[in-house]
Amino acid sequence: GENVEQHPSTLSVQEGDSAVIKCTYSDSASNYFPWYKQELGKRPQLIIDIRSNVGEKKDQRIAVTLNKTAKHFSLHITETQPEDSAVYFCAALLSSNTGKLIFGQGTTLQVKP
Amino acid sequence: DGGITQSPKYLFRKEGQNVTLSCEQNLNHDAMYWYRQDPGQGLRLIYYSQIVNDFQKGDIAEGYSVSREKKESFPLTVTSAQKNPTAFYLCASSIDSGRGEQFFGPGTRLTVL
Repeated sequence: GENVEQHPSTLSVQEGDSAVIKCTYSDSASNYFPWYKQELGKRPQLIIDIRSNVGEKKDQRIAVTLNKTAKHFSLHITETQPEDSAVYFCAALLSSNTGKLIFGQGTTLQVKP
Repeated sequence: DGGITQSPKYLFRKEGQNVTLSCEQNLNHDAMYWYRQDPGQGLRLIYYSQIVNDFQKGDIAEGYSVSREKKESFPLTVTSAQKNPTAFYLCASSIDSGRGEQFFGPGTRLTVL
């Protein structure tokens, strides 16, 4: 079946450093890639997304890049802050028009003050 | 995502009992989804509904059932056939199944005693 692989599973950075999380997807026809942030015990929150007609999207300290040829996309967080500590999930929308998102396994980001 | 509610927040079940988790949205979204999340794991799709009066099995539907009699409601029943039901259950909705953006409810944590 279709899948999304996410790396690394854990990431620890110093406050102010950058963090990068990478995902690879298998469905070459996927055209929508969201990123979610989940704090402990809370719901996943959509923080940024990208569609296949663009290669990069930025929102303040967060950016996502997409390489359709290589079938991978990445989340970049600059000037990290302790409140960025959470689990981050990437996902890819299946091309079957069912609305099904396939999620990566998650990355636990720890930002040390 | 403030327009998606789930109840109860915590639920305890004895073995052999069926329980129903509530999910309601007032966003006028056509599509709704149920996910299961186990500790340290990603999100796995249980059932989804693209439109009222229609639903399809996701990747882990065994032991679960749903209904979609109203656009705003998508209850999930965890039956006694689900052998390991202890998990965090998340409901999500999207405006339609084509666009992809899914917004999550606050979740229900189910524990089997």
